Amino acid sequence: NAGVTQTPKFQVLKTGQSMTLQCAQDMNHEYMSWYRQDPGMGLRLIHYSVGAGITDQGEVPNGYNVSRSTTEDFPLRLLSAAPSQTSVYFCASNKGQGPSTGELFFGEGSRLTVL
Amino acid sequence: DAKTTQPNSMESNEEEPVHLPCNHSTISGTDYIHWYRQLPSQGPEYVIHGLTSNVNNRMASLAIAEDRKSSTLILHRATLRDAAVYYCILRPPTGYGQNFVFGPGTRLSVLP
Repeated sequence: NAGVTQTPKFQVLKTGQSMTLQCAQDMNHEYMSWYRQDPGMGLRLIHYSVGAGITDQGEVPNGYNVSRSTTEDFPLRLLSAAPSQTSVYFCASNKGQGPSTGELFFGEGSRLTVL
Repeated sequence: DAKTTQPNSMESNEEEPVHLPCNHSTISGTDYIHWYRQLPSQGPEYVIHGLTSNVNNRMASLAIAEDRKSSTLILHRATLRDAAVYYCILRPPTGYGQNFVFGPGTRLSVLP
């Protein structure tokens, strides 16, 4: 089972460049989200989606865009990369909101360095 | 959102039990207590969750205080593979968005 797949695993950008982190899940989950993790810290929510066509902002949305055209895919776009966006990015999905369906499934992460 | 407090780090010997504490004194009556762990260079993975009663699964046990202001994740026999950062998270029963708040967690080291 693939679960949540993120690409690329590593990326180096120059300041001002744009790029898209891809996330796909094959579990037919309605909910998907993007987190970033800085060294020694926990995860912070960037954007999330509760279904195709529906997205909303999390704790740290500035500098990022998302869209959800299909249930499977939830790409994260960096519009103009800045060194402050150097981080490890995790995509997650879950089936629903209830205690039996709320378990988050995470991808392996995408390590981004902005020079 | 209600916050949790965990020790920054803990150490355990292999094959011994480990008790990872979490304080959540501002927990509301409907918040679920979730635990995740993050192995090195991986995304977090679900461990266990509960509301009021103690819970057991194949990975761990969760002991919840009677007043629900604290909980303890119990690994019955630590292995080297259990070395990870453990996150204690509170989650309301409905809604999404910022319901999963991952703090710094507890870094568990397991000594052979």
